[in-house]
Amino acid sequence: AQSVTQLDSQVPVFEEAPVELRCNYSSSVSVYLFWYVQYPNQGLQLLLKYLSGSTLVKGINGFEAEFNKSQTSFHLRKPSVHISDTAEYFCAVQGAQKLVFGQGTRLTINP
Amino acid sequence: ETGVTQSPTHLIKTRGQQVTLRCSSQSGHNTVSWYQQALGQGPQFIFQYYREEENGRGNFPPRFSGLQFPNYSSELNVNALELDDSALYLCASSLGIGTQYFGPGTRLTVL
Repeated sequence: AQSVTQLDSQVPVFEEAPVELRCNYSSSVSVYLFWYVQYPNQGLQLLLKYLSGSTLVKGINGFEAEFNKSQTSFHLRKPSVHISDTAEYFCAVQGAQKLVFGQGTRLTINP
Repeated sequence: ETGVTQSPTHLIKTRGQQVTLRCSSQSGHNTVSWYQQALGQGPQFIFQYYREEENGRGNFPPRFSGLQFPNYSSELNVNALELDDSALYLCASSLGIGTQYFGPGTRLTVL
């Protein structure tokens, strides 16, 4: 079985500051990991994914994530955030057919 | 390339009624997955359809049912609506077990 824990339900940061959103996973099969972003009243947009290969994955909008097998983590980072990054962020692990999501982290950017 | 579309955007029903939600998959995709996202929660897997057959189901009762059509579009049907069915329903399409791309969702309110 797979599970995902997002360690922070809310993360407030100032504009242009760096941010890290934390995600830990559990999986008994091959690990495919994803980060999705959800803007208010919208669906989910894929930010980035790890399937295999390099453990540092770059995505859209300047985000990147690092897969750490020994710590079973897949933390999302951005060196400098913008007001437009205000959204809910979901980490997910791929199961047999389904994605298993964490509870989400609300990123709030303060000017 | 056309993305995933869902209809309607919003709808309001009363307890005991039945509802049908629709999803058109992204061009080239043959698999559709449905998720329920309650307020403040991560999406929960309902079921997946691959080439018109159900290909996995989450922990949802039988009153949640679906269809996939030859053009790979899909419907989610919910019978005997309950208040707890109020949620955002997300459809995602993929090519087999590949990366899932989400539509904008249908917001269902049950009164």
